[in-house]
Amino acid sequence: KNQVEQSPQSLIILEGKNCTLQCNYTVSPFSNLRWYKQDTGRGPVSLTIMTFSENTKSNGRYTATLDADTKQSSLHITASQLSDSASYICVVSGTGGSYIPTFGRGTSLIVHP
Amino acid sequence: KAGVTQTPRYLIKTRGQQVTLSCSPISGHRSVSWYQQTPGQGLQFLFEYFSETQRNKGNFPGRFSGRQFSNSRSEMNVSTLELGDSALYLCASTPGGARETQYFGPGTRLLVL
Repeated sequence: KNQVEQSPQSLIILEGKNCTLQCNYTVSPFSNLRWYKQDTGRGPVSLTIMTFSENTKSNGRYTATLDADTKQSSLHITASQLSDSASYICVVSGTGGSYIPTFGRGTSLIVHP
Repeated sequence: KAGVTQTPRYLIKTRGQQVTLSCSPISGHRSVSWYQQTPGQGLQFLFEYFSETQRNKGNFPGRFSGRQFSNSRSEMNVSTLELGDSALYLCASTPGGARETQYFGPGTRLLVL
């Protein structure tokens, strides 16, 4: 069964600090991995999309890495801001019969002033 | 460009009733996907439509159905509502490719009593 596990479940950091969120998956064969940011009560917003051949992708202060061999990804947030407080969701899609996107449960990030 | 819009934003129904939700994608986008989000299960993929055809389907019972019109607007229908169908229903659109950025709407929050 395809699974996506995210850690930690929740995280509290001070404004200005960096943090790293983790995503491990079992989806195979692999097509792409996406990171989303979801503010409370709103739809998710895409941060990055990575395919098998990409191991790093940045979007402003957000940098995602992918190790397709170990089936692990991380999302690094640099110089956190109060507006970064949100849920961060990792989604992995496969090919063929594994096309259905599998969602992680998300990491809830709170940035304190 | 206007973003993805969903109507209605909030809905209250009783068990056994049916409901129809609407999604208008970004202009020019031909793919619309639907998702269910609950505190217990997180985000789950329902189905995807492209050019009026269902391209992919998640693991939901037949009570959940959808369709797409020639202008790419999409509707999803849930018949014989159950308490467990209470959720945030999100739709997302892309121009059409499987690896393109998805743009989510604000969601329709459905409460089944």
